[in-house]
Amino acid sequence: KQEVTQIPAALSVPEGENLVLNCSFTDSAIYNLQWFRQDPGKGLTSLLLIQSSQREQTSGRLNASLDKSSGRSTLYIAASQPGDSATYLCAVSSGGSYIPTFGRGTSLIVHP
Amino acid sequence: DADVTQTPRNRITKTGKRIMLECSQTKGHDRMYWYRQDPGLGLQLIYYSFDVKDINKGEISDGYSVSRQAQAKFSLSLESAIPNQTALYFCATSDPQDGYTFGSGTRLTVV
Repeated sequence: KQEVTQIPAALSVPEGENLVLNCSFTDSAIYNLQWFRQDPGKGLTSLLLIQSSQREQTSGRLNASLDKSSGRSTLYIAASQPGDSATYLCAVSSGGSYIPTFGRGTSLIVHP
Repeated sequence: DADVTQTPRNRITKTGKRIMLECSQTKGHDRMYWYRQDPGLGLQLIYYSFDVKDINKGEISDGYSVSRQAQAKFSLSLESAIPNQTALYFCATSDPQDGYTFGSGTRLTVV
């Protein structure tokens, strides 16, 4: 059974810092990995989707990498802003049904 | 319009009442899902459907039922609501190329 762990669970940083959020998974036979952002009480917004054949995806200040062999993905946020404050979740799709396994998320606070 | 629309956005209901949460999508995806989110517990899968004729139980299906009325519509019912079903409910769709798309959620309170 796939297990997904996100470290750290919470992070508080000053504005302008570059950040790395980590997602690790136990079964490397994945189809894809997706990073989401969730604001309190709101839905999940997709940030980046990395297919198993890809090593990284970029969107604006965000870059996500995937290393299947080590069971890890990182989400890099450049020049963090207070508006980046949210919970970030990763979801790993694997197994015959493609149903993703979600991590518990990293709660990020960027203070001015 | 949003790709995945959930109604209602908020609902307060009494214990024992039947309630239906509705979801519609314009993504054209075959796969649809219902999740529940409780503070500190993450997302839990209630039911999922890979097409109109294929419905499957998730991790926590007890007390819930679903109906896939069309490719674009997937509803979740609580036949007799109880207070521990108070939670944030999400509908989602997926396909292998697009990944997952979530609705904005329904906040359900059972009193």
